[in-house]
Amino acid sequence: AQRVTQPEKLLSVFKGAPVELKCNYSYSGSPELFWYVQYSRQRLQLLLRHISRESIKGFTADLNKGETSFHLKKPFAQEEDSAMYYCALIEAGGTSYGKLTFGQGTILTVHP
Amino acid sequence: DGGITQSPKYLFRKEGQNVTLSCEQNLNHDAMYWYRQDPGQGLRLIYYSQIVNDFQKGDIAEGYSVSREKKESFPLTVTSAQKNPTAFYLCASTLGDITNTEAFFGQGTRLTVV
Repeated sequence: AQRVTQPEKLLSVFKGAPVELKCNYSYSGSPELFWYVQYSRQRLQLLLRHISRESIKGFTADLNKGETSFHLKKPFAQEEDSAMYYCALIEAGGTSYGKLTFGQGTILTVHP
Repeated sequence: DGGITQSPKYLFRKEGQNVTLSCEQNLNHDAMYWYRQDPGQGLRLIYYSQIVNDFQKGDIAEGYSVSREKKESFPLTVTSAQKNPTAFYLCASTLGDITNTEAFFGQGTRLTVV
């Protein structure tokens, strides 16, 4: 069974500091991983996906298959980054094809 | 205006009654999902459907039922068998293509059972 774990419920940093939101996963197949973000009073939305290896709003995430991790990083946090962040995994094969599972979420607060 | 719509936004029901939450999308997406969001527990998958007339149980399906008779609609019924139904429910949809799996979410329905 797949599982996504975000060990930190809350994370606080100061503006301009680096930030790293941790995500670990367990999945027997080849994972497709994502980060979603929910800003205050807005819908949950895609931030980035590992398959496209993109950088969105200064955030990057590298898939480390050896450590089964997909941590989200940003070198200089901004106040507008304050939000709830979810790591997600989708099954790309097998009987649970298309099953999209989320972690518990991390609330990031960036202080001025 | 394309998107995914959940209704109603707030729903109150008496204990022991079944209640159905609506989720409609006009994005022509094949896959649809229902999640439950509780504080500190993130999004937990209730049911998902990759195609019309087919759906699979998620991680917490007990006490819930769904149907997928139309591509654009995926209603969720919270039955009296659900022991703790008061929660925030989110519906999502995707194209169904794993390589292009951006999920679009509704604004949610907050269900309160009294």
